[in-house]
Amino acid sequence: DIQLTQSPSFLSASVGDRVTITCRASQGISSFLAWYQQKPGKAPNLLIYAASTLQSGVPSRFSGSGSGTEFTLTISSLQPEDFATYYCQHLNSYLTFGPGTKVDLK
Amino acid sequence: QVQLVESGGGLVKPGGSLRLSCAASGFTFTDYYMSWIRQAPGKGLEWLSYISSSGNTIYYAESVKGRFTISRDNAKNSLYLQMNSLRAEDTAVYYCARTPSDYFDLGNDYYYYNYMDVWGKGTTVTVSS
Repeated sequence: DIQLTQSPSFLSASVGDRVTITCRASQGISSFLAWYQQKPGKAPNLLIYAASTLQSGVPSRFSGSGSGTEFTLTISSLQPEDFATYYCQHLNSYLTFGPGTKVDLK
Repeated sequence: QVQLVESGGGLVKPGGSLRLSCAASGFTFTDYYMSWIRQAPGKGLEWLSYISSSGNTIYYAESVKGRFTISRDNAKNSLYLQMNSLRAEDTAVYYCARTPSDYFDLGNDYYYYNYMDVWGKGTTVTVSS
């Protein structure tokens, strides 16, 4: 089974910061990766799929890159509404999630 | 508007059973795979299962294989999760999600993938004596 790890697990940042979260797969998964944002008490929200395709309606400050075993989610300028937990997910056969990265206010 | 509404959660004793439902509206249900995902209190997301639009293709996570059964009724625009032999560790919020299917065309081969673009608000299952 493919395992996903995320780094860092926690990230403290300020409004306006550029934030990068990394997701690593235990074996190559091509571009079969998505990113979700989840706020407390709410369902997750799809941000990126196929590693780099921005979901409709998601602000352009979010971007995704990578292929194979290493992927990144970048928020170009962190906004107050972006403080949340972010999850990566493998998209082929077994749709495993990564453990999450919590982004909070410095 | 596109909407998913889960129901059927509640308190159940260890070893008991529960059937969750997910009512879909605002889109053509038969065009989409559908998934179940859960989140234990204070923990991350755990994908459980998905089912193809026809119901012919089903995948389960190892943690629930043999205990949980996913199904759908396309005439009722509904998705279900039958949960048997419940354990304390099954306590979680259970979400259903619309699961589009897409593919990469890499020359001679097509590689299919699924992602979750619409989620319900979830239903809470508590397994406790």
